[in-house]
Amino acid sequence: GQNIDQPTEMTATEGAIVQINCTYQTSGFNGLFWYQQHAGEAPTFLSYNVLDGLEEKGRFSSFLSRSKGYSYLLLKELQMKDSASYLCAPAAGGGNKLTFGTGTQLKVEL
Amino acid sequence: GAGVSQSPSNKVTEKGKDVELRCDPISGHTALYWYRQRLGQGLEFLIYFQGNSAPDKSGLPSDRFSAERTGESVSTLTIQRTQQEDSAVYLCASSDRWADTQYFGPGTRLTVL
Repeated sequence: GQNIDQPTEMTATEGAIVQINCTYQTSGFNGLFWYQQHAGEAPTFLSYNVLDGLEEKGRFSSFLSRSKGYSYLLLKELQMKDSASYLCAPAAGGGNKLTFGTGTQLKVEL
Repeated sequence: GAGVSQSPSNKVTEKGKDVELRCDPISGHTALYWYRQRLGQGLEFLIYFQGNSAPDKSGLPSDRFSAERTGESVSTLTIQRTQQEDSAVYLCASSDRWADTQYFGPGTRLTVL
């Protein structure tokens, strides 16, 4: 089965750092994706973690612990354009299909 | 290069009609996925293609839904006898191989009246 838990909403200040946590229970787990989705738009790829540890990509970093079923997305130097929904999506099975929760709606304020 | 494209971008249909939604994946991508996103909900997996074969159709909600892929390229998702609960954004994604990053198209917004 699949179960994904991430906060529904978060608010942060421009220039600050925010961490979005995600816990999951996924059969046949292969890796974990993070996507960003602005309202009315398709998800855009942010990161894909297969191995445990932290991966950094510019202002965005993603961490995975396979044994704990836990991941987080870290956003630094927040900008207003980072206001969006952030989707934690475990990939599983032979087809690497993604399972999504409802995402975390991040609001960046001045 | 070009990303994933989908057509139409919007489709309004009457209950009971059939609809076809098209996806053009990134050139050379062997894996293709269909997902559905209902209003205010997360994306739901529908079906996955590897080449022209669909090893996993487990997400198709009923036998009114079918999909095919030809030439290891274009895919069509067909919904027969549409119902109001079929109203959603239908998203297509493709990846170079099944284990790689999935890139999403802009989606088709389907409204069933």
